[in-house]
Amino acid sequence: AQKITQTQPGMFVQEKEAVTLDCTYDTSDPSYGLFWYKQPSSGEMIFLIYQGSYDQQNATEGRYSLNFQKARKSANLVISASQLGDSAMYFCAMRGVQGAQKLVFGQGTRLTINP
Amino acid sequence: DVKVTQSSRYLVKRTGEKVFLECVQDMDHENMFWYRQDPGLGLRLIYFSYDVKMKEKGDIPEGYSVSREKKERFSLILESASTNQTSMYLCASIQGTYNEQFFGPGTRLTVL
Repeated sequence: AQKITQTQPGMFVQEKEAVTLDCTYDTSDPSYGLFWYKQPSSGEMIFLIYQGSYDQQNATEGRYSLNFQKARKSANLVISASQLGDSAMYFCAMRGVQGAQKLVFGQGTRLTINP
Repeated sequence: DVKVTQSSRYLVKRTGEKVFLECVQDMDHENMFWYRQDPGLGLRLIYFSYDVKMKEKGDIPEGYSVSREKKERFSLILESASTNQTSMYLCASIQGTYNEQFFGPGTRLTVL
């Protein structure tokens, strides 16, 4: 079975600082994908970044980067130069090889950016 | 722009009522999903469908059923709503193997 663990229920960060959101995973699949989603207070889930288990380099998308450490089974999200609009819930998710591309989600981290 | 829409943003129902939550995607995606989101638990998969008239149970299917008569539409049905089904319900769809899921805006359901 696949499992995602996010150990930080909430985080508070000053604007313009970098922030790291932790995510660890467990799977026996040889191939898998890891995702990060952002959920603002309005409720919609916004896709941020994707990392494949065989990707050689860490994924980056603008201010978002994924610190992928395969041996440690961690996939932390790094947000550089945080902005007030980054305040939201953040979910880490994993997809394995089988199962119609369904995702397993972590519990989420609520990030608050302070001015 | 890709789009997943859900029939209601907010819904209030009485215990015992039959409830329909509708989800429509305009991307011709094969796979569609229903999740519920509860604080501290993240998103949990209720049901998913990989083709018209095909469905599979997710992690928490009890008390729910689904219907997919057309490729673009995936309905979640609460046969007899109960207060423990008060939650946020999110629909999603995906095409292909290594793509992200696209989510609808969610339906916040309250069962009184």
